[in-house]
Amino acid sequence: NAGVTQTPKFQVLKTGQSMTLQCAQDMNHNSMYWYRQDPGMGLRLIYYSASEGTTDKGEVPNGYNVSRLNKREFSLRLESAAPSQTSVYFCASSEVVGSGSTQYFGPGTRLLVL
Amino acid sequence: DQQVKQNSPSLSVQEGRISILNCDYTNSMFDYFLWYKKYPAEGPTFLISISSIKDKNEDGRFTVFLNKSAKHLSLHIVPSQPGDSAVYFCAATERLYNQGGKLIFGQGTELSVKP
Repeated sequence: NAGVTQTPKFQVLKTGQSMTLQCAQDMNHNSMYWYRQDPGMGLRLIYYSASEGTTDKGEVPNGYNVSRLNKREFSLRLESAAPSQTSVYFCASSEVVGSGSTQYFGPGTRLLVL
Repeated sequence: DQQVKQNSPSLSVQEGRISILNCDYTNSMFDYFLWYKKYPAEGPTFLISISSIKDKNEDGRFTVFLNKSAKHLSLHIVPSQPGDSAVYFCAATERLYNQGGKLIFGQGTELSVKP
């Protein structure tokens, strides 16, 4: 049981390049999320998927697209990377039930855009 | 508008003493609150949570207090240990109308526990 896995762990891009961050979970969770973490800003939600087949914008969606490939996988795509997208990206998943919304996080992807 | 705020970026405590981390929120519809702990180069891990129907929840050395009238919650760690040194994030959610279980996170407080 690996939990939430993310690839790659680290990536350097040039401005204008594109890339896809991959995320997979093996906990059979319905909901998945993409966050970015920047110094002094906490974790900000980029996009989320409440269930397979649905995606919605979070707090900072501009410059990103997502795909919920199946129940396990949720990818984040940068079509044309900008230096402002230099950040640490975390994927998370949760089983949204009445008792709460505890999210489980992956180890993160560190992205540097030059 | 930051709905969840952690006004102290850092906190330093001596080993064995109490650590108190604070968090304020502005949205009165929030009804479930969580604390996450994050070590460098790792993802956040869930620590403890509290529902708005309670004012205290305890799990071992960790206790979360909720003051709804003040829109304030705090995490107490007693006794603090060097392994507790990490960044702590508080988070909040509005479960009733929240599609997809979204959480709103604070900026984080970096706790340093000195031996």
